[in-house]
Amino acid sequence: QSALTQPASVSGSPGQSITISCTGTSSDVGGYNYVSWYQQHPGKAPKLMIYDVSNRPSGVSNRFSGSKSGNTASLTISGLQAEDEADYYCSSYTSSSTLLFGGGTKLTVL
Amino acid sequence: QVQLQESGPGLVKPSQTLSLTCTVSGGSISSGSYYWSWIRQPAGKGLEWIGRIYTSGSTNYNPSLKSRVTISVDTSKNQFSLKLSSVTAADTAVYYCAREGLLSPAHFDYWGQGTLVTVSS
Repeated sequence: QSALTQPASVSGSPGQSITISCTGTSSDVGGYNYVSWYQQHPGKAPKLMIYDVSNRPSGVSNRFSGSKSGNTASLTISGLQAEDEADYYCSSYTSSSTLLFGGGTKLTVL
Repeated sequence: QVQLQESGPGLVKPSQTLSLTCTVSGGSISSGSYYWSWIRQPAGKGLEWIGRIYTSGSTNYNPSLKSRVTISVDTSKNQFSLKLSSVTAADTAVYYCAREGLLSPAHFDYWGQGTLVTVSS
């Protein structure tokens, strides 16, 4: 099974909005509403930001939102802040009852 | 507050077996509402799912590692463990344990801090 496809990097200025895509297949992203997004700062464990495509855990800013269309899921961060600079990973359940992660996207806040 | 803590040797020789344990506190591993997973991350690279176990002992593994991986659970100690056999330098990584929603797969809400395992002679 291949990793989900994410852009290697995205950037934006404070206050702007950015979107990170996560592309899979009909056997994973497109087949289930079990897509999650994680934020990881250097040297830290990943932090859950979005689950089940578009749900935010308690305590996560409403500047973070998720969506899905076909085989591609997306994470949008609005009102970019300096502390949003981190690596972001998507993950999806698969038809084999396994999990896939995306390759990760480095977000730079200019 | 649920906490997970990985433990085990930080250095493993090539061809040997890597063994790690994850101790869960603040909640019962037998609650039945969660899977318990292992995930790894080589330095500078992305996350890789290794596998998961349910309290019943049923498991799912990453197909690329399945022949070398065993995940087990000890409910009496509130722990679950990872064994990875025939390791090579490519298995050098930070290993995380995490809790995954049973009804919401891919939803890891609690993670351990991670432990670095280096494969070297």
